[in-house]
Amino acid sequence: EVQLVESGGGLVQPGRSLRLSCAASGFTFDDYAMHWVRQAPGKGLEWVSGISWKSGSKDYADAVKGRFTISRDNAKNSLYLQMNNLRDEDTALYYCAKSHTNSGTRYFDHWGQGTLVTVSS
Amino acid sequence: EIVLTQSPATLSLSPGERATLSCRASQSVSNYLAWYQKKPGQAPRLLIYDTSNRATGIPARFSGSGSGTDFTLTISSLEPEDFAVYYCQQRTNWLTFGGGTKVEIK
Repeated sequence: EVQLVESGGGLVQPGRSLRLSCAASGFTFDDYAMHWVRQAPGKGLEWVSGISWKSGSKDYADAVKGRFTISRDNAKNSLYLQMNNLRDEDTALYYCAKSHTNSGTRYFDHWGQGTLVTVSS
Repeated sequence: EIVLTQSPATLSLSPGERATLSCRASQSVSNYLAWYQKKPGQAPRLLIYDTSNRATGIPARFSGSGSGTDFTLTISSLEPEDFAVYYCQQRTNWLTFGGGTKVEIK
């Protein structure tokens, strides 16, 4: 059974940093691209960032480009999101999501339960 | 950026009724469109990918159609567990989601 478990969320002041983690199990982690998707309170889904299976390709939404960095450790079956210079508008539930196919198709067939990031002074 | 506009925002229906949800793209996404179901406190669930392909384990009452800029998710006969928010998502140009359609019990 595929499992994705996020951690690292919390309350942080604007301008500060936070690092999210996602522990994956139940599938061959290094065969799949992985992504972060967020949902602000009362809002819809927003793709944040994605990384290819060997970290050769990393993409970011314009809203986070230059502030967030995605990475992965295939030996540890883990995905990360380093979030710097956080803003109020980054407040959201952050989901780790697995790519639907091992060809990197950007649909998501498994999601974690999310970790909440609250940016507030 | 391709903008996806979903309509209606809210759909009020009774169990057993047919639900028809729309997703319109600001430019062609070919057939690279997916649908997700989202319930409060739960992770999103992939229903349909590439316009009309059901994901693993998705019941046949869910179907997708369309091409280019206009897409439809149809739930042929609503079950109690189908009341949720539904999002469309395109992968043609970067990756964007629609604003969602809430299917609520009438």
